[in-house]
Amino acid sequence: RKEVEQDPGPFNVPEGATVAFNCTYSNSASQSFFWYRQDCRKEPKLLMSVYSSGNEDGRFTAQLNRASQYISLLIRDSKLSDSATYLCVGQKSGGTSYGKLTFGQGTILTVHP
Amino acid sequence: DGGITQSPKYLFRKEGQNVTLSCEQNLNHDAMYWYRQDPGQGLRLIYYSQIVNDFQKGDIAEGYSVSREKKESFPLTVTSAQKNPTAFYLCASSLNRDPLMKNTEAFFGQGTRLTVV
Repeated sequence: RKEVEQDPGPFNVPEGATVAFNCTYSNSASQSFFWYRQDCRKEPKLLMSVYSSGNEDGRFTAQLNRASQYISLLIRDSKLSDSATYLCVGQKSGGTSYGKLTFGQGTILTVHP
Repeated sequence: DGGITQSPKYLFRKEGQNVTLSCEQNLNHDAMYWYRQDPGQGLRLIYYSQIVNDFQKGDIAEGYSVSREKKESFPLTVTSAQKNPTAFYLCASSLNRDPLMKNTEAFFGQGTRLTVV
């Protein structure tokens, strides 16, 4: 089983829709999580950090459920510019390899007019 | 401007040749990483370094080598032993501290596209 798993999609939604992505992790040593956005043929860029139960930034809300080892990203009022691949990332805490980042395979989102 | 720079952006290599990808950062980050991304796939960790003169293998280190002689630099050599080197290579850096202290997210360079011809 992969350490971080995502539904690869693709998700195709109309402008204005609300869409949610799910991510599960298997390593309980992962203590911090991030959502990155990657545009086609570009580098990933940080979208949100998720350190506790979750946080919200404008149209984006991330939630973390440690008991179920589950992270989610909710995008409200989707824009055409939200079309991208969304990467879920877990980061280890403690031990000799703390800080090591593990990426999910990414979820593709396409927002259409 | 602070940032992380990879060069070159595109690289072509003949089979059997070694090639070195450059990664430089001026963010004063201790930790640096190399990832490989294949089309339609996620990022896979090749090597990472938490501090100067130390590095650890990631999940797919075979056929690759790295060095970390300076804090700012973490070059990756793709050797002839790497059977399928054509890919998009991404370098990243971050603060090296326990994630519970926060602000440990990684920043990426623009990547190098390596093609074996």
